[in-house]
Amino acid sequence: GAGVSQSPSNKVTEKGKDVELRCDPISGHTALYWYRQRLGQGLEFLIYFQGNSAPDKSGLPSDRFSAERTGESVSTLTIQRTQQEDSAVYLCASSPPSYEQFFGPGTRLTVL
Amino acid sequence: GEDVEQSLFLSVREGDSSVINCTYTDSSSTYLYWYKQEPGAGLQLLTYIFSNMDMKQDQRLTVLLNKKDKHLSLRIADTQTGDSAIYFCAFLVSGNTPLVFGKGTRLSVIA
Repeated sequence: GAGVSQSPSNKVTEKGKDVELRCDPISGHTALYWYRQRLGQGLEFLIYFQGNSAPDKSGLPSDRFSAERTGESVSTLTIQRTQQEDSAVYLCASSPPSYEQFFGPGTRLTVL
Repeated sequence: GEDVEQSLFLSVREGDSSVINCTYTDSSSTYLYWYKQEPGAGLQLLTYIFSNMDMKQDQRLTVLLNKKDKHLSLRIADTQTGDSAIYFCAFLVSGNTPLVFGKGTRLSVIA
């Protein structure tokens, strides 16, 4: 079956522009997570959605970052007024009611 | 919160065993994972172990957990060139919460 998909796979933008990154989770997965992976680093948690509960935004690095999720489907991560330090791979994962998270291929964001 | 340490690089010869180590600080983790990341790809779950286990074997992979020393390791037997990748340990405290990741160990396999 289809796994987690993300688009675009690569995004190059200019400093100060807004970007939107999209994640399509596996159908039926109740939980959805966004992580950021900077070059040579592990994954940093950004935000997660669990069913209809309020999202846990505790990992968002600044108020320029926001995310939405429509029901238990698509999620969009928005970064406003991008900065060079936002350059990273943004990974999305989804999870059924279990302990396994399934990751998408990521979006590589480069801010010039 | 959890603090996780991994060595950054490991180089082994094809056919040898690889051992990738991870140390952590928070003993409340319930599940401990190993993920593999190949260039340009997302993370692939290799294996995981429950915190009440000491060892888990899955084909060429062996996971060892030393709770006293807060040490987790992944042994890959008969390492192949296709095993070259970055390996991350990750920890989960309770279901459907974010994972805490180490920085990853880059495994290079020399033919």
